[in-house]
Amino acid sequence: GAGVSQSPRYKVAKRGQDVALRCDPISGHVSLFWYQQALGQGPEFLTYFQNEAQLDKSGLPSDRFFAERPEGSVSTLKIQRTQQEDSAVYLCASSLSTSGANEQFFGPGTRLTVL
Amino acid sequence: AQSVTQPDIHITVSEGASLELRCNYSYGATPYLFWYVQSPGQGLQLLLKYFSGDTLVQGIKGFEAEFKRSQSSFNLRKPSVHWSDAAEYFCAVGRSGAGSYQLTFGKGTKLSVIP
Repeated sequence: GAGVSQSPRYKVAKRGQDVALRCDPISGHVSLFWYQQALGQGPEFLTYFQNEAQLDKSGLPSDRFFAERPEGSVSTLKIQRTQQEDSAVYLCASSLSTSGANEQFFGPGTRLTVL
Repeated sequence: AQSVTQPDIHITVSEGASLELRCNYSYGATPYLFWYVQSPGQGLQLLLKYFSGDTLVQGIKGFEAEFKRSQSSFNLRKPSVHWSDAAEYFCAVGRSGAGSYQLTFGKGTKLSVIP
């Protein structure tokens, strides 16, 4: 079956531009996570959705970052007024249920480069 | 707060040699522990996970890991490395209680395999 997909795969933005990154989770997966992976680092948690509810946004680095999942499936991560330090790979993951024991399935990521 | 340490940034082994990648975690309760592999341009793929029970867990691609509570470790092993195992490996800890189930990752260990 289809896995987690993300688009675009690559995004180049000029400093100050707004960007929107899309995640299509595995159909039926309740939980959805966004992570940020800087070059040479491990992924770091940004935010978590359970269906359409954003239950944890403690990892969002600033109020320029905003995420939504209005119908409990597709999610969008929006970054306003991008800065060079926002350059990273943004990973989306989905999980079947709300248990921490469930595997998180990761998408290929969107590589954002801010010039 | 939970944390993961992978002390080896880069490891090089010869094809056919054995492999051990180290992981130490910090978490107040019994953790959920994971090993993921990331190949260039690819998403993270789960190799194995530990929740409870037998402390030696088997995963895909011939990998295994042993949970040692006394040492707060969850080291990954493989008896004979193949060239296709060259990739970056991430250890992660997840919450076992209620709440947001994000993973906390280590910084990763890059594995190079000499033919």
